[in-house]
Amino acid sequence: NAGVTQTPKFQVLKTGQSMTLQCAQDMNHNSMYWYRQDPGMGLRLIYYSASEGTTDKGEVPNGYNVSRLNKREFSLRLESAAPSQTSVYFCASKYSGPYEQYFGPGTRLTVT
Amino acid sequence: LAKTTQPISMDSYEGQEVNITCSHNNIATNDYITWYQQFPSQGPRFIIQGYKTKVTNEVASLFIPADRKSSTLSLPRVSLSDTAVYYCLVSAWGDSSYKLIFGSGTRLLVRP
Repeated sequence: NAGVTQTPKFQVLKTGQSMTLQCAQDMNHNSMYWYRQDPGMGLRLIYYSASEGTTDKGEVPNGYNVSRLNKREFSLRLESAAPSQTSVYFCASKYSGPYEQYFGPGTRLTVT
Repeated sequence: LAKTTQPISMDSYEGQEVNITCSHNNIATNDYITWYQQFPSQGPRFIIQGYKTKVTNEVASLFIPADRKSSTLSLPRVSLSDTAVYYCLVSAWGDSSYKLIFGSGTRLLVRP
């Protein structure tokens, strides 16, 4: 099993450009999550999907959109990137209920 | 919303036991407590999870008093490779993911 995979690993954008971060899991998990982590800080939840076909806002959703393409894949889109969105983005997944999350390796995004 | 409070940093020496306490005064009846470990440039990794009393696995123990307003992660005989950031997370039984708040974590430095 590959677990949770994320692409790309690194990305540099100019202000105003758009891009989509991809996340896939092969563990048959129902729930998937997108977090951002700024330098020296904890993780903040952007969006989550409790099951295929549903998405909900987390703590910091402004400037982002998500798509739960199918059970395996959950993408995060930045429509018009801003320097404040420079961060490391982590995708995670888990089974429904009181189970641990499994995290991907992260995407390091820089917006200039 | 069960916000968590942890020490910002801790120092220890190889072979010692390390105890990291997390305060969660507003924990709800259906919340459970999870601890994650994060190394630089990696996604968090699950360590241990519990609801009440004591839980032990091959890497750590989790102590939760009866009032559940705090919890203590205990790492026995730490090694240099335990140097990492440790996060305490309080979340509900279901997928009420708005409660998935990581906080800033505790930076543990293990010295030779």
